[in-house]
Amino acid sequence: NAGVTQTPKFRILKIGQSMTLQCTQDMNHNYMYWYRQDPGMGLKLIYYSVGAGITDKGEVPNGYNVSRSTTEDFPLRLELAAPSQTSVYFCASRRVPNTEAFFGQGTRLTVV
Amino acid sequence: AQSVTQLGSHVSVSEGALVLLRCNYSSSVPPYLFWYVQYPNQGLQLLLKYTSAATLVKGINGFEAEFKKSETSFHLTKPSAHMSDAAEYFCAVSYNTNAGKSTFGDGTTLTVKP
Repeated sequence: NAGVTQTPKFRILKIGQSMTLQCTQDMNHNYMYWYRQDPGMGLKLIYYSVGAGITDKGEVPNGYNVSRSTTEDFPLRLELAAPSQTSVYFCASRRVPNTEAFFGQGTRLTVV
Repeated sequence: AQSVTQLGSHVSVSEGALVLLRCNYSSSVPPYLFWYVQYPNQGLQLLLKYTSAATLVKGINGFEAEFKKSETSFHLTKPSAHMSDAAEYFCAVSYNTNAGKSTFGDGTTLTVKP
């Protein structure tokens, strides 16, 4: 009963490096989301997807990219990492809009 | 645009005391409202949700919330705080019309004193 799985849990990047944060869910949910959480700021939506092959920008998409080739997977790509991208990243999924969102355990990213 | 305001970024109560965490939303269409809890170094877990059925919603761990349309509020309460309730709490709103994108409040950190 895995739910939403994120990898890695922790990562330190140097400025200018790139990386992919992995997210997979085993609940056959169509809706998936990437959020970042900064201290005292709540969660901000980066990108979201309503199904395989369909993605769209959220509130804070700059510096990130996503893809959704399967229902299960929704990776988040950081190109040219910057210190402003130091944050905790959460992936979430839900079956339909009025149901609860299931969250992964988060990825704590530090850019130095 | 939808928004969520949580009044009080930090709330401190004594063990056994009433817990009241405030949430107000702004919306021009009927919302779906959620309270989530986040324990240190973990993801968010659902406490309870309002989806246009009963206005008083009961959740896990003894929490409940009342949807008041006239006040655009969805405050979270628990009659008697327990030490294990210490965590961060988030109020969130979403709609059928926007792909279920949730807008979250900034969170309230609950401290429970012995």
